[in-house]
Amino acid sequence: EVQLVESGGGLVKPGGSLRLSCAASGFTFSSYSMTWVRQAPGKGLEWVSSITSGSTSMFYADSVKGRFTISRDDAKKSLYLQMNSLRAEDTAVYYCARDLQMMFWGQGTLVTVSS
Amino acid sequence: DVVMTQSPLSLPVTLGQPASISCRSSQSLIYSDGNTYLNWFQQRPGQSPRRLIYKLSNRDSGVPDRFSGSGSGTDFTLKISRVEAEDVGIYYCMQGTHWPHTFGQGTKLEIK
Repeated sequence: EVQLVESGGGLVKPGGSLRLSCAASGFTFSSYSMTWVRQAPGKGLEWVSSITSGSTSMFYADSVKGRFTISRDDAKKSLYLQMNSLRAEDTAVYYCARDLQMMFWGQGTLVTVSS
Repeated sequence: DVVMTQSPLSLPVTLGQPASISCRSSQSLIYSDGNTYLNWFQQRPGQSPRRLIYKLSNRDSGVPDRFSGSGSGTDFTLKISRVEAEDVGIYYCMQGTHWPHTFGQGTKLEIK
């Protein structure tokens, strides 16, 4: 059974940093691209970032480019999202999803950016 | 960026009746490999999104056959042949052909 478990969310002040993690199991993690998607409270889904297998390519939404960094550790079967210079508009539930077409999703982790 | 426009945004449906959601893209979603990377997701209240349909018309494992996807180029449709109570939620189309990948605004399906 495929499982994706996000962690690392919390309350952070504007300008602060957080690192999200996504622990994967039930599939060969190293063979798949991975994706982060977020959902602001009461709003729709927004693609944030994707990373291909082997970390060959990384892609970012314009809204996070230069502030967020996606990475992966295939040995640990984990996906990461380093978020710097956080803004109030980054407040959202952050989901990790398997592959570029998002076949499986985690339960999400809430990031709140507020003073 | 490719803009995905869904309609309607609110869809009240009587149990057992069909439902249809439209999704239009601002550019063709046909990729160079010939595939159309148009996916549909369901988000039930309080839950994570779940993919229902991938590459235009392929149902994911475990998705009831009352869900179907169709369309071509820039015009796409998700159909539910007979709505059940468990179908309540928000439905999103998403294009995975062009970077950045983009979602529609969502269509809220409710029981009339």
